[in-house]
Amino acid sequence: GQNIDQPTEMTATEGAIVQINCTYQTSGFNGLFWYQQHAGEAPTFLSYNVLDGLEEKGRFSSFLSRSKGYSYLLLKELQMKDSASYLCAVRDFNQGGKLIFGQGTELSVKP
Amino acid sequence: DSGVTQTPKHLITATGQRVTLRCSPRSGDLSVYWYQQSLDQGLQFLIQYYNGEERAKGNILERFSAQQFPDLHSELNLSSLELGDSALYFCASTRQGEGETQYFGPGTRLLVL
Repeated sequence: GQNIDQPTEMTATEGAIVQINCTYQTSGFNGLFWYQQHAGEAPTFLSYNVLDGLEEKGRFSSFLSRSKGYSYLLLKELQMKDSASYLCAVRDFNQGGKLIFGQGTELSVKP
Repeated sequence: DSGVTQTPKHLITATGQRVTLRCSPRSGDLSVYWYQQSLDQGLQFLIQYYNGEERAKGNILERFSAQQFPDLHSELNLSSLELGDSALYFCASTRQGEGETQYFGPGTRLLVL
């Protein structure tokens, strides 16, 4: 089966950098996604990695190592509005198109 | 705004009742996914439809069913509701199916009393 682990919560300071880690186990890896979700709202797509390496998109970057079953989301120049839950999700080609989500990491950005 | 719409936004009902949640995918998207998010479970995949046909099934209870209509909107039917069914229900859509990023609708918050 699949297993996705990420820290439950993290705290960081406005203007700082934070790294949210995600480890996964899956039999047919077919991509890893990061979503941001504010309380009570829809998850919004942040990034997608299917090959090893770093994908940069503005203040957000995501890294993938398939051999290690590991990804991280890096958030730079943190803003108060970045306080949210960050969801790591894996797609498995043995499971069609569905995404398997981790429990999410609740990030609190303090002034 | 993802372009995916869901109605209603909020729903309050009693145990034993039946409700229908509606999802309209982004224009041109053929595939719809339904997810349930409760406080202790995180986002759980329920079911996927592609162009009217069921494509994949997840942890969907027998009391729950879904369908996708010719105009590609989808409905999720929840019956014999229990307190534990209280959750946020999201749908997501993609143009084709498995190979794409899923964009989520705003969700329906269901409260069963």
